[in-house]
Amino acid sequence: EVQLVESGGGLVQPGGSLRLSCAASGFIFSTYWMNWVRRAPGKGLEWVANIKQDGSEKYYVDSVKGRFTISRDNAKNSLYLQMNSLRVEDTAVYYCARDTGYSSGWYGNWFDPWGQGTLVTVSS
Amino acid sequence: DIQMTQSPSSLSASVGDRVTITCRASQGINNYLNWYQQKPGKAPKLLIYAASNLQSGVPSRFSGSGSGTDFTLTISSLQPEDFATYYCQQTYSIPRTFGQGTKVEIK
Repeated sequence: EVQLVESGGGLVQPGGSLRLSCAASGFIFSTYWMNWVRRAPGKGLEWVANIKQDGSEKYYVDSVKGRFTISRDNAKNSLYLQMNSLRVEDTAVYYCARDTGYSSGWYGNWFDPWGQGTLVTVSS
Repeated sequence: DIQMTQSPSSLSASVGDRVTITCRASQGINNYLNWYQQKPGKAPKLLIYAASNLQSGVPSRFSGSGSGTDFTLTISSLQPEDFATYYCQQTYSIPRTFGQGTKVEIK
């Protein structure tokens, strides 16, 4: 069964740091682009970042550039999101999602499957 | 960034109704448009990919159409398990933006 399981969420003060993890199983992790997506309370889905199969390309939404870093360890079938300088507005459920499509690139793909999410709360 | 605008933001419908949700992109995105369903406390679930392709395991009452800037998700006969929030998403460019969501509620 293809599965993604996030962990690492919690309560952190503004300005603090947190590292999220996503454990993948049931597929060849090293052959897929991977993503982080978040949903803030009462709001819609927001794509956060993605990373190429070998980690050589990474992209971010503007609101997290310079603060968040996406990475992966293909030997451990794991995806990570290092979040620094956290702000109240980063409070959200964070999901990891696999990029799926007709080619090995990210263009024109779709997200399937998704993990169950991990809650990050930034508050003093 | 490409802006995705869904309409309506919410709707009330009865079981058996035909429901249509539209999604408009601020610029052409070919057919790189996906639809997801999300229920409270659950992860989003892929329904339709590349505008009109039904994801495996998704009931055939769901269908998608459109190309360029205008897209539609249709539920031909609404079922109790379909009450949820629906999102469109473009993967034509980065950032890969979502629509604001359409909440489908019970009338």
